[in-house]
Amino acid sequence: DAKTTQPTSMDCAEGRAANLPCNHSTISGNEYVYWYRQIHSQGPQYIIHGLKNNETNEMASLIITEDRKSSTLILPHATLRDTAVYYCIVMARGNKLVFGAGTILRVKS
Amino acid sequence: DVKVTQSSRYLVKRTGEKVFLECVQDMDHENMFWYRQDPGLGLRLIYFSYDVKMKEKGDIPEGYSVSREKKERFSLILESASTNQTSMYLCASRPRDRGNSPLHFGNGTRLTVT
Repeated sequence: DAKTTQPTSMDCAEGRAANLPCNHSTISGNEYVYWYRQIHSQGPQYIIHGLKNNETNEMASLIITEDRKSSTLILPHATLRDTAVYYCIVMARGNKLVFGAGTILRVKS
Repeated sequence: DVKVTQSSRYLVKRTGEKVFLECVQDMDHENMFWYRQDPGLGLRLIYFSYDVKMKEKGDIPEGYSVSREKKERFSLILESASTNQTSMYLCASRPRDRGNSPLHFGNGTRLTVT
């Protein structure tokens, strides 16, 4: 099962774009990349997912490199409420999402 | 929006008690999951169910059992609670499809066993 590598923490100024990177160099051809976030004392919240094409929804954009070995989650205009732990996950076999340590994003005013 | 509801946000139980954690989802999802989350260990899968009365062990099933009598409800049971089961418990659901639909999580139950 593919594993992911994310920076431990990042800071972002309020109103600016937050770009969160993720490496998944061992991803296989049929595995999707998922992003979740978790605000303290709440359950993980689904953000976005993709296979090979870039994706955008009301929350964020997902950019996946052509070789699929890395991806970037973009929050276009970060707010203080976006402060959370962000998890990049590659879908493992058998419905088992494997969560890593994630990136602590701190949005500062 | 998908709603996954866990019956309790906080629970305090004594060692040896039988504990029931309840989870209900309102989107007619076939697949339901129980995870526990601990600092430094991330989320670990305890059990999952892909249909009524069906269950599969996850990575850490020891000390737990589950029940899925109705499609919308998935219960996690601690037969005899122990202090090492103090944790945040998270329920999630997902539809049965080609397998790329995301999991949707509840807000968790923080269980303390004393």
